[in-house]
Amino acid sequence: DAGVTQSPTHLIKTRGQHVTLRCSPISGHKSVSWYQQVLGQGPQFIFQYYEKEERGRGNFPDRFSARQFPNYSSELNVNALLLGDSALYLCASSLWPLGSYEQYFGPGTRLTVT
Amino acid sequence: SQQGEEDPQALSIQEGENATMNCSYKTSINNLQWYRQNSGRGLVHLILIRSNEREKHSGRLRVTLDTSKKSSSLLITASRAADTASYFCATDAAHSGSARQLTFGSGTQLTVLP
Repeated sequence: DAGVTQSPTHLIKTRGQHVTLRCSPISGHKSVSWYQQVLGQGPQFIFQYYEKEERGRGNFPDRFSARQFPNYSSELNVNALLLGDSALYLCASSLWPLGSYEQYFGPGTRLTVT
Repeated sequence: SQQGEEDPQALSIQEGENATMNCSYKTSINNLQWYRQNSGRGLVHLILIRSNEREKHSGRLRVTLDTSKKSSSLLITASRAADTASYFCATDAAHSGSARQLTFGSGTQLTVLP
């Protein structure tokens, strides 16, 4: 079975621009979460979506938004990019609220803001 | 914010030796999970230990949990060069039915020398 997939792999943007990152969960997983990982730190929770509804939000500004589609794939949008938004953005899917609570991560999208 | 803190931040050992990493956290948890990350790529789930468990094994991995001290340890026995990676603990502190938000520590960088 295919794992969690993310696109694009790498992205370079300029300050003030907008970016959209995409994620496809493991087949059968209906919950998708987004994390931001700054170099040298652990991932930080941004959003969780389940059945197209936002179920949780981390401490991130309103410039960050996301949505989930009927096929359970998800997009993360970031507006008005800042240099500090440069990071690895990770998507994870899980069987929540059913089954175990392990999250399965994709390879990530490396965003560089210049 | 990071709830968990791993110790040590970096660990270098010879192949065949055991590696022990520790994690401390601040709030009550439902479970604690350990993840591995190679070279800034996606995280791989290693093991989950529930709050009512004290020890768990999976292959060469042994995890302990002491909820009274809010700490956990990950032991990798008979280490191999391929174990070289960053290791993160993540706590799941959500209430039942709430979003599964993992809070990650800052990680331990393990280097296994051949």
